Amino acid sequence: LAKTTQPISMDSYEGQEVNITCSHNNIATNDYITWYQQFPSQGPRFIIQGYKTKVTNEVASLFIPADRKSSTLSLPRVSLSDTAVYYCLVGDIGTNAGKSTFGDGTTLTVKP
Amino acid sequence: DTAVSQTPKYLVTQMGNDKSIKCEQNLGHDTMYWYKQDSKKFLKIMFSYNNKELIINETVPNRFSPKSPDKAHLNLHINSLELGDSAVYFCASSLASGGGTYTDTQYFGPGTRLTVL
Repeated sequence: LAKTTQPISMDSYEGQEVNITCSHNNIATNDYITWYQQFPSQGPRFIIQGYKTKVTNEVASLFIPADRKSSTLSLPRVSLSDTAVYYCLVGDIGTNAGKSTFGDGTTLTVKP
Repeated sequence: DTAVSQTPKYLVTQMGNDKSIKCEQNLGHDTMYWYKQDSKKFLKIMFSYNNKELIINETVPNRFSPKSPDKAHLNLHINSLELGDSAVYFCASSLASGGGTYTDTQYFGPGTRLTVL
């Protein structure tokens, strides 16, 4: 299973763009990269998923370089409500579904 | 109409007791999971079931026994509770049933905070 490494914590201010990078040097060919967000006292919630290049949805963007050994979650113009723990998850969504491993998470604190 | 529900939300018990946490999903998913999240927020998978069959059993003491009576339920039974079992336990489900190229988003329940005294 691909092990992931993320910064333990990050601070930002409202209105700024936040980029959180996840390293996954041993990512396998069939692995996808997924990011989850977790607010206090809640379960993690899916944010975005990608395989290569760039993926964008209404919440975030995910940048994946050609070698796929890392990925960057980009949150545009964060607000106080974006304060949460962000997890990077790498795994095979096909035949090995369910064997993905969560990273240790990055605690993002957005300040006014 | 909660997608993934867990009961109870809080569970306080004494060492040595046996307890169960129930999980139900109404999403029609094929795969269900149990995760343990410790005080440092590390989220570790414990078990994964696909169509009532165990497909993952990480390094978990055999005091923990998952039971899946049907595809929509995955309960967690814990025998002889220990202090170190105190944590938040999350149930999750996903559509995955092996193979395919669809996204395997996991939907998490609200968690059960277990405190062993």
